[in-house]
Amino acid sequence: EVQLVESGGGLVQPGRSLRLSCAASGFTFDDYAMHWVRQAPGKGLEWVSGISWNSGSIGYADSVKGRFTISRDNAKNSLYLQMNSLRAEDTALYYCAKGNSGSYLFGAFDIWGQGTMVTVSS
Amino acid sequence: QSALTQPPSASGSPGQSVTISCTGTSSDVGGYNYVSWYQQHPGKAPKLMIYEVSKRPSGVPDRFSGSKSGNTASLTVSGLQAEDEADYYCSSYAGSTPYVFGTGTKVTVL
Repeated sequence: EVQLVESGGGLVQPGRSLRLSCAASGFTFDDYAMHWVRQAPGKGLEWVSGISWNSGSIGYADSVKGRFTISRDNAKNSLYLQMNSLRAEDTALYYCAKGNSGSYLFGAFDIWGQGTMVTVSS
Repeated sequence: QSALTQPPSASGSPGQSVTISCTGTSSDVGGYNYVSWYQQHPGKAPKLMIYEVSKRPSGVPDRFSGSKSGNTASLTVSGLQAEDEADYYCSSYAGSTPYVFGTGTKVTVL
């Protein structure tokens, strides 16, 4: 069964850091791009970051550029999101999503995890 | 990059059809054939329903279809069923951004 399982969310104070993880199974992880997409409570979807199959190409939304870092470990079938200098507006459910090609560009998100909640508050 | 514009709500009776629009610009919807649609039930993760404007992933019923004209993409659900009641989001490749989502549409089956 194709599956993505996120972890690492929680309550964090503004300005602090958090690292999210996503464990993939059921498909050839290193064939596909991976993404993080977030959804603030009661709001719509927002693409956060994407990484190509071999980590050769990476992209970020302007709202997180310079603060968040995406990475992957193909040997461990895992995706990560290092989030620094967190702000209240980063509060959201963070989904890990599989791209439908090796490039993080020109794609769609065909498999989604259940998400991990990040709450930024003092 | 602004969110793509969708109507907040749409509705139809069982068996009827409903069409949801997704309006962007020449920098996103109009500039690329990489529009996708996602269905999201309450408390659940989104599910890919349409990609590359009109392609259906394996397992998605053919009641779901997509199209595009200029800067506006559309999702049509034919033969509405109770389980189609959900939120629907469009998304488009947008170049430097590179992905933008729509504002979301709540579909109600009357």
